[in-house]
Amino acid sequence: DQQVKQNSPSLSVQEGRISILNCDYTNSMFDYFLWYKKYPAEGPTFLISISSIKDKNEDGRFTVFLNKSAKHLSLHIVPSQPGDSAVYFCAASDGGNDMRFGAGTRLTVKP
Amino acid sequence: NAGVTQTPKFRVLKTGQSMTLLCAQDMNHEYMYWYRQDPGMGLRLIHYSVGEGTTAKGEVPDGYNVSRLKKQNFLLGLESAAPSQTSVYFCASSYGARAGSFTEAFFGQGTRLTVV
Repeated sequence: DQQVKQNSPSLSVQEGRISILNCDYTNSMFDYFLWYKKYPAEGPTFLISISSIKDKNEDGRFTVFLNKSAKHLSLHIVPSQPGDSAVYFCAASDGGNDMRFGAGTRLTVKP
Repeated sequence: NAGVTQTPKFRVLKTGQSMTLLCAQDMNHEYMYWYRQDPGMGLRLIHYSVGEGTTAKGEVPDGYNVSRLKKQNFLLGLESAAPSQTSVYFCASSYGARAGSFTEAFFGQGTRLTVV
């Protein structure tokens, strides 16, 4: 039973435009959410996070939005750059125990 | 500062063989995790540990065992390898919950395991 879902396996955007990656979760006990970025042959690296007491967190070109009632979060990248091309994983934790990941979305930013 | 180091990076096993994957972290993290990554499945949690001497099952624990005898090390064992365990394995560590927040995990570079 996958508790964190990323329903879009891939996304392609033009350089300079906005990339929006989506994530849904089913476990209402999740209260911390994280986004990771992964390049081929490397381990995932942390990008940005948000706790359930917020609905938005911003870090440079990256913004994460959380809609608790819909159990949905999204990652916005503005403007998108070719170096952002990677697989993005959404992850969630119930605040003290394990961390569950989605299946990932492969983002391609075209020059 | 090495971060999270996984050993080995590649391995080929025959069905029925056993092996141990080693994960070491030098960040004094309490939490450690083992994930496997398969195409279309993302990262699935195998086992995790919230401190030295503790372990817990994740989403896909069957066929694996773990031990956390020292805070800095987290071992993943396959007692009798099966082709279904062909995957890329990632170890991660974090401070876990701290000061009212859940801190991010740092990942190793992965171990590519093939079971033939």
